[in-house]
Amino acid sequence: GAGVSQSPRYKVAKRGQDVALRCDPISGHVSLFWYQQALGQGPEFLTYFQNEAQLDKSGLPSDRFFAERPEGSVSTLKIQRTQQEDSAVYLCASSLARLLGRRIKETQYFGPGTRLLVL
Amino acid sequence: GQQLNQSPQSMFIQEGEDVSMNCTSSSIFNTWLWYKQDPGEGPVLLIALYKAGELTSNGRLTAQFGITRKDSFLNISASIPSDVGIYFCAGLNNAGNMLTFGGGTRLMVKP
Repeated sequence: GAGVSQSPRYKVAKRGQDVALRCDPISGHVSLFWYQQALGQGPEFLTYFQNEAQLDKSGLPSDRFFAERPEGSVSTLKIQRTQQEDSAVYLCASSLARLLGRRIKETQYFGPGTRLLVL
Repeated sequence: GQQLNQSPQSMFIQEGEDVSMNCTSSSIFNTWLWYKQDPGEGPVLLIALYKAGELTSNGRLTAQFGITRKDSFLNISASIPSDVGIYFCAGLNNAGNMLTFGGGTRLMVKP
């Protein structure tokens, strides 16, 4: 079956340009997560959706970062006026749901990431 | 910034050797996970730990959840070349919606 897909896989942007990164979660997965992974580091949480509701955006580094999931499936992470420090891999993950006592459904499945380079 | 300290940062070993890496946290997590990330790919879950003291195996991999819930280790026995990659520990928050990752251990295996 299809896993989490992300597009584009690579993006080069000029400083100040706006970018939009797309995530297609596994079909039927309720929860969707975005992480930012700097070179040589572990991923860091950005934001979390349950269906179309953005329940946690505490990890977004600035108001230039905006995420949406209007129909509860595909999600877009938008970065406005990109800066060089935004260069990183942006990972999307999805999970079936979180149900008490059914921890296996909390497993987050990651996509391959979008590698963003801001020049 | 990240709260999980993972060590060693890198390891270069001979094929067939056993490997051990560990992770410590300044705060308690009720679920610990170990992921592997290959170049150009996202992390893939290897082992999940749900109870303090739990020891879980997945093939040649064994992981333990520390009694204090602030640490975990991962062992790989009889390493093979395809074990090469970056291994991350991660703690899941109580709400189940946020993973906090360690800095990773880069494993290199010499055939």
